[in-house]
Amino acid sequence: EVQLVESGGGLVQPGRSLKLSCAASGFTFDNYAMHWVRQAPGKGLEWVSGMRWHIGSIGYADSVKGRFTISRDNAKNSLYLQMDSLRAEDTAFYYCVKDSGAGDLESWGQGTLVTVSS
Amino acid sequence: DIQMTQSPSAMSASVGDRVTITCRASQGIANYLAWFQQKPGKVPKRLIYAASSLQSGVPSRFSGSGSGTEFTLTISSLQPEDFATYYCLQHNSYPYTFGQGTKLEIK
Repeated sequence: EVQLVESGGGLVQPGRSLKLSCAASGFTFDNYAMHWVRQAPGKGLEWVSGMRWHIGSIGYADSVKGRFTISRDNAKNSLYLQMDSLRAEDTAFYYCVKDSGAGDLESWGQGTLVTVSS
Repeated sequence: DIQMTQSPSAMSASVGDRVTITCRASQGIANYLAWFQQKPGKVPKRLIYAASSLQSGVPSRFSGSGSGTEFTLTISSLQPEDFATYYCLQHNSYPYTFGQGTKLEIK
């Protein structure tokens, strides 16, 4: 069974940094692309970033490009999201999502809440 | 970037009704489209992938169609557990984009 467990969320001041982690199990991690998706409270879904198994293919939403960095450690079955220069509008639940192998979003973690506020 | 325009943004319907939700892509995305259902306080659940393929375990009253720029999600006969918010997602190219969502409420 696929399990994705996010951690690292919390309250952070505007302009500061935070790093999210996602521990994956139940599948061969380095065979799949992985993604981060966020959802502000009461709002819709927003794809944030994705990374295919070969690190050369990485994408970001325009809203986070230049501030967020996705990375993965295949030896640790882990996905990360380094978030710098955080803004109030980055406040959201952040979900770690496993790719289906065909590019879409198949399995979701339970999410971790990031609150950016002074 | 590819924009996804989803309609309607909200609708009310009755149990047993047939419901259709539409997503339009700003440029062709072949069949790189998925549909998700989200209930309050829950994680999104994939219903349809590759525009028209039904996720295992999802009831057959759900169906998807379309290719290129126009896509639809149809629920053939609404059940009480179907009242939720629905999203489309294009995964043709980075950055991926979701539709704005359709909140389906009980009439």
